[in-house]
Amino acid sequence: KQEVTQIPAALSVPEGENLVLNCSFTDSAIYNLQWFRQDPGKGLTSLLLIQSSQREQTSGRLNASLDKSSGRSTLYIAASQPGDSATYLCAGSNTGKLIFGQGTTLQVKP
Amino acid sequence: DTEVTQTPKHLVMGMTNKKSLKCEQHMGHRAMYWYKQKAKKPPELMFVYSYEKLSINESVPSRFSPECPNSSLLNLHLHALQPEDSALYLCASSQWDRVNSPLHFGNGTRLTVT
Repeated sequence: KQEVTQIPAALSVPEGENLVLNCSFTDSAIYNLQWFRQDPGKGLTSLLLIQSSQREQTSGRLNASLDKSSGRSTLYIAASQPGDSATYLCAGSNTGKLIFGQGTTLQVKP
Repeated sequence: DTEVTQTPKHLVMGMTNKKSLKCEQHMGHRAMYWYKQKAKKPPELMFVYSYEKLSINESVPSRFSPECPNSSLLNLHLHALQPEDSALYLCASSQWDRVNSPLHFGNGTRLTVT
């Protein structure tokens, strides 16, 4: 059974800092890994999807990587801004269903 | 703005009430999903519809009844709920129910059962 873990649970950084969010999964037979952002009381916004055949995806200041052999994915945020404050969730799929991690709540201080 | 629209945004209902949650998307997606999210927890899958047919039911109690009238609409009918069913209910869609189609979520319905 696929299990997804995110560390740390919470993170606070000053504005402008580069940061990395970590996601690990137990089943390397993963089809894809998707990163989401969730603002308080809101739905989830898809940030990046990495297919199993890919190693990374980039969108603006965001870069996500996938290492199936080690069961890890990272989300790199460059030059963080207060508007990046939110909860970031990773989700892996290997049975047609997404399995979510518990999320990392990020606070970027001005 | 999200491309998946959910109504209502908030709903308060008693344990004897019958209510419905609605979800609509016009992206031409053929797979639609219901998720339940408790506070400070990740979303949990409830149901998946593929081409308007129920393809996954994650052993959800029968007091939750999904319906997909057409490819753009997804409903969740609620009856005789319990206070522990209070949560954020999220609808999502994807182009296909294949694993490499990213999910697009609505902003959810905040449900409170009294």
